[in-house]
Amino acid sequence: DAGVIQSPRHEVTEMGQEVTLRCKPISGHDYLFWYRQTMMRGLELLIYFNNNVPIDDSGMPEDRFSAKMPNASFSTLKIQPSEPRDSAVYFCASSLGSGGRTEAFFGQGTRLTVV
Amino acid sequence: AQSVAQPEDQVNVAEGNPLTVKCTYSVSGNPYLFWYVQYPNRGLQFLLKYITGDNLVKGSYGFEAEFNKSQTSFHLKKPSALVSDSALYFCAVRDRDSARQLTFGSGTQLTVLP
Repeated sequence: DAGVIQSPRHEVTEMGQEVTLRCKPISGHDYLFWYRQTMMRGLELLIYFNNNVPIDDSGMPEDRFSAKMPNASFSTLKIQPSEPRDSAVYFCASSLGSGGRTEAFFGQGTRLTVV
Repeated sequence: AQSVAQPEDQVNVAEGNPLTVKCTYSVSGNPYLFWYVQYPNRGLQFLLKYITGDNLVKGSYGFEAEFNKSQTSFHLKKPSALVSDSALYFCAVRDRDSARQLTFGSGTQLTVLP
């Protein structure tokens, strides 16, 4: 398996524009997580899905952020409108099962810069 | 509530010397504990985990960690450091009796000097 695949790897956009980040989890994994990493706040869990259903989105910072998982092999994280403070590295991760016993596998991340 | 602390932002060690990266945790019940490593411009990679059983856990690349319940610690160790071990290391915890997902520490930058 190729692992968790994220696209794009880098995104530079102007303030106010819509940004869509994409993720393909590992085949067969039933949990998908979106994280954001910044120097100031470290690694934050934004939202996670189980069997394509959003379970906890309490980490989503504002209504400008939304995430979907239309099927088991694809998820998107959208920011509309984007702001400079959204600049960060966004990671997608997937795991098989939960209950906390299983490790998550991370994609390489999308580095977002909002100017 | 669950939390994890990595008290050192930076650890420097000479190549060939033993290394330790510290982690302490706080959970209401019993913990699941994980270590991940992040190389520059890459995602996090799983190193090892403690679920139950033997307190000494062995993982990838010669790393190991010891679960100490009385001290609520899960320090990462390696007997002989390599320059290639230089990276950012994250400890993570989950309360096994909670529906919450992993909480990550702030990370420790390990630099192994040649």
